[in-house]
Amino acid sequence: GENVEQHPSTLSVQEGDSAVIKCTYSDSASNYFPWYKQELGKGPQLIIDIRSNVGEKKDQRIAVTLNKTAKHFSLHITETQPEDSAVYFCAAHLNYGGSQGNLIFGKGTKLSVKP
Amino acid sequence: GAGVSQSPSNKVTEKGKDVELRCDPISGHTALYWYRQRLGQGLEFLIYFQGNSAPDKSGLPSDRFSAERTGESVSTLTIQRTQQEDSAVYLCASSLGEGNQPQHFGDGTRLSIL
Repeated sequence: GENVEQHPSTLSVQEGDSAVIKCTYSDSASNYFPWYKQELGKGPQLIIDIRSNVGEKKDQRIAVTLNKTAKHFSLHITETQPEDSAVYFCAAHLNYGGSQGNLIFGKGTKLSVKP
Repeated sequence: GAGVSQSPSNKVTEKGKDVELRCDPISGHTALYWYRQRLGQGLEFLIYFQGNSAPDKSGLPSDRFSAERTGESVSTLTIQRTQQEDSAVYLCASSLGEGNQPQHFGDGTRLSIL
């Protein structure tokens, strides 16, 4: 089955700096890769996603890159702000003709942005 | 519009009791998912519904866990004879359809087994 590894587990940056979180996946059939932000006591919130036919996607200060050959994808946050502090999860979706619907999640990265 | 709603938000119960957790998905979302998140951990897939059917139950940890969905809407996750290792946050998500559709999560039910 699919396995998703996420690094680092914790990341501390200074406000205004960039933050990068990396994930690798094992099954080349995976074709959808969302990123979630989870604040304390809340459910995960989808912040950006990318499909396997695209190499990069950007939304304001957030970008995701995908390397299908190497089977890894990364989240980039620029000009970090204290409110970016949260736990971030990557995930991979396995699609065998649409019969399987669950996401496989990484273990999360706790991002701390220091003012 | 309304997001995914889960109830109760918190549940404390004694070991051996049965518990029932409820999820109201976003209106019109045909796919519904249950995940478990232990403290400080990632999300563990439990079960997935397309309409009222569950094509994938592979993540249910034991036969004490069951789930159903009715009216292509509300879903309930039932844990029988709860054990202390069942303590976790149980998260529900819904999406427009199966496949590569974004999943939107509720805030979960925090279950504590004494």
